[in-house]
Amino acid sequence: EAGVTQFPSHSVIEKGQTVTLRCDPISGHDNLYWYRRVMGKEIKFLLHFVKESKQDESGMPNNRFLAERTGGTYSTLKVQPAELEDSGVYFCASSQDWGSDTQYFGPGTRLTVL
Amino acid sequence: QKEVEQDPGPLSVPEGAIVSLNCTYSNSAFQYFMWYRQYSRKGPELLMYTYSSGNKEDGRFTAQVDKSSKYISLFIRDSQPSDSATYLCAMSGVLTGGGNKLTFGTGTQLKVEL
Repeated sequence: EAGVTQFPSHSVIEKGQTVTLRCDPISGHDNLYWYRRVMGKEIKFLLHFVKESKQDESGMPNNRFLAERTGGTYSTLKVQPAELEDSGVYFCASSQDWGSDTQYFGPGTRLTVL
Repeated sequence: QKEVEQDPGPLSVPEGAIVSLNCTYSNSAFQYFMWYRQYSRKGPELLMYTYSSGNKEDGRFTAQVDKSSKYISLFIRDSQPSDSATYLCAMSGVLTGGGNKLTFGTGTQLKVEL
């Protein structure tokens, strides 16, 4: 069974540009999460999808971040326009929907904003 | 004050030693407690998952949760060089909609020396 995959693995952009990160969860997992780790800090929750619906987006830092999960399969996280403080590693995780909180993480996308 | 406190290390031990990793937390709503292992440039990998207080053992790993003290531990017996990684504690509260956001510690970097 394939795990959670993320693309790209690394992105370097300039301040003011737009970047879109993609996450493909484990097949059949209705729950999809985005997390972020900035340098020297802990991994922090951004948002949670159940299928295509946003269940909890309390961790989204501001309206420059837009997450979508059309069709309830893969998800994208767009940052527009990117700022220096958006640099970090963005992780995606997925879990099944029977009350399990076992979240499986992808390898992350390392975003560098110059 | 952070919700979850974890000593970042680094912690260096000789091969075969017993390793003790710990986290404290402040939110009494946490009920689910996890330990993740993260190798460099990889995503977090779930090691142990515990609900409420008590002990759980899996091979060389033992997780302990003491909710009265808001303290969780991970013990690694007969540590191996392959155990060298960053260990992250994570926790969550009441499950809603089949999942819930995780709150992480900063991670403890462990190195097991030959």
